[in-house]
Amino acid sequence: EVQLVESGGGLVEPGGSLRLACTASGLTFRNAWMTWVRQAPGKGLEWVGRIKSQNVGGTTDYAAPVKGRFTISRDDSKNTVYLQINSLKTEDTAVYYCIAGLGLSDFDMWGQGTMVTVSS
Amino acid sequence: QTVVTQEPSLTVSPGGTVTLTCASSTGAVTSGYYPNWFQQKPGQAPRALIYSTSNKHSWTPARFSGSLLGGKAALTLSGVQPEDEADYHCLLFSGGAPVFGGGTKLTVL
Repeated sequence: EVQLVESGGGLVEPGGSLRLACTASGLTFRNAWMTWVRQAPGKGLEWVGRIKSQNVGGTTDYAAPVKGRFTISRDDSKNTVYLQINSLKTEDTAVYYCIAGLGLSDFDMWGQGTMVTVSS
Repeated sequence: QTVVTQEPSLTVSPGGTVTLTCASSTGAVTSGYYPNWFQQKPGQAPRALIYSTSNKHSWTPARFSGSLLGGKAALTLSGVQPEDEADYHCLLFSGGAPVFGGGTKLTVL
């Protein structure tokens, strides 16, 4: 059974930084393309970015609103993908979901999410 | 920036059929937009239902189907069950970047 467990969320002041982690099990992680999606309270889903598997370069893509502030990385030895968020803004307040693309699409399996609250 | 539009809300009777749609501000949705559909129940993470227009995941109930309809992506639920009450999100790949719609709240009443 594929499982994705996010961690690292919490309450942060504006301007602060946070690193979210997502640890996967039940899949061949090194082959998975990993995506982050967020959902602000009571709002729809927003694609944040994606990191491809190392065998196709491990490259990253980001949504325009987060480019330059968000960085996605992966450690295949730990089956973990990270989302580094810098210069946090109140509008970054959201549940952040980690998603594994297992070959069918980029969005095959979703984690349960971790809440990030940006407030002073 | 592409805007993806869904019906904000729909209501369907148990056992009925309902079609949710997903439109793009750039024009007609084609298979090249690789439409995806997700179901999200209250307090839960989304779950993938449909990818690449009409392909189902192994866990997707047979009563869900995806298609292209009148220039939009469509998700049809046939023989709706009470447990289908949920938010449904579509996603389109536009200009290489994935864009979600605002979601449709489906009420089964």
